[in-house]
Amino acid sequence: QLQLQESGPGLVKPSETLSLTCTVSGGSVSSNDHYWGWIRQPPGKGLEWIGFMYYSGSTYYNWSLKRRVTISVDTSKNHFSLDLSSVTAADTAFYYCTRHVFLPMEARHVDSWGQGILVTVSS
Amino acid sequence: DIQMTQSPSSLSASVGDRVTITCRASQSISTYLNWYQQKPGKAPKPLIYAASSLQSGVPSRFSGSGSGTEFTLTISSLQPEDFATYYCQQSYNTPRTFGPGTKVDI
Repeated sequence: QLQLQESGPGLVKPSETLSLTCTVSGGSVSSNDHYWGWIRQPPGKGLEWIGFMYYSGSTYYNWSLKRRVTISVDTSKNHFSLDLSSVTAADTAFYYCTRHVFLPMEARHVDSWGQGILVTVSS
Repeated sequence: DIQMTQSPSSLSASVGDRVTITCRASQSISTYLNWYQQKPGKAPKPLIYAASSLQSGVPSRFSGSGSGTEFTLTISSLQPEDFATYYCQQSYNTPRTFGPGTKVDI
């Protein structure tokens, strides 16, 4: 059974870079049928899609974050990562790593979520 | 970006009630519409994808319907474990966008 586990610092200073890693077990980031990505949720608020990546390198980002966000996949370690630069308090949120169904196209959805990690931006 | 709206934003119901939540998209998204359930302190859980397909392991009291711009999630007989917040999400294009959520409580 697929498991996703986020890891990284829970506290980041303003203007610095938030870096998180998602370790994948029970599945492979080299899957032809899935994207790997991140979704965030400020405490008490709704869900925001950050972006996802196909193992071959194709990336898709939320344009509102595009200049600050990088998602990368490491097939040798079977994990993927999120870097979000120049953070502010508005980036404080629970960050979920996610697997998105790519094929079949008509079934595109998030079929697996990590437990989430709270990242607070504060000095 | 495709804007997603949900109604109602919250509702109160009793065990055994039939509950319907509506989700609308700002443009046609065919059947690229998904539903998720989130309980406090937990990650969202997939319920329905492609507007009406039940995720494996999800009870059959959950159902979805719709196409184009209007969709519904129905819980035929509300159970105690169904009290949660429900989100719709479009997967027609990027950025993927979510509705603001519907909180179902007692």
